[in-house]
Amino acid sequence: AQSVTQPDIHITVSEGASLELRCNYSYGATPYLFWYVQSPGQGLQLLLKYFSGDTLVQGIKGFEAEFKRSQSSFNLRKPSVHWSDAAEYFCAVGAEGNEKLTFGTGTRLTIIP
Amino acid sequence: DTAVSQTPKYLVTQMGNDKSIKCEQNLGHDTMYWYKQDSKKFLKIMFSYNNKELIINETVPNRFSPKSPDKAHLNLHINSLELGDSAVYFCASSPMGPRYGYTFGSGTRLTVV
Repeated sequence: AQSVTQPDIHITVSEGASLELRCNYSYGATPYLFWYVQSPGQGLQLLLKYFSGDTLVQGIKGFEAEFKRSQSSFNLRKPSVHWSDAAEYFCAVGAEGNEKLTFGTGTRLTIIP
Repeated sequence: DTAVSQTPKYLVTQMGNDKSIKCEQNLGHDTMYWYKQDSKKFLKIMFSYNNKELIINETVPNRFSPKSPDKAHLNLHINSLELGDSAVYFCASSPMGPRYGYTFGSGTRLTVV
């Protein structure tokens, strides 16, 4: 069964600093990997996705993520965060032939001035 | 135009009541989902329909009954509401296959008192 672990429950970063959110997955074959962001009171918005090809993927709002098969990881990065990036971030994994996405428990990002 | 719309956005009701949540997508997607997000932000799939056919039915009490009159609509009816049903319920849709990820609605916050 597929599973996702987000080891950090809460991260605090200063505005303008760089960010890395961790995601580790467990799945036997090549997974489909996603990062979503949820602002307070809102639904989830897709930031980026990986299913094949270049292991460094670019997303919206200046985010990127790198798929590392050897480490079973798909960490999300941003070089310089903005106050508007404060939100909950979810990593998710899916696979061909399995319709459902399995989500991690989320990482809450706080931005301090 | 909202891509995935849910109604109502908020629902406060008493224990034992029956309520419905409606979802509509105008993206032409074949697959629709219901996810439940608990107070700790954990997202768990409940149901999925592909072109009106039920394809995922996770371990959910049979008080919950989804209905898909056509591929653009997926409704959730809940009988005999319990305190533990309080959560945010998200509808989502996707084109064929998991590699495209989901488009989420903005959620329905259900509070059972």
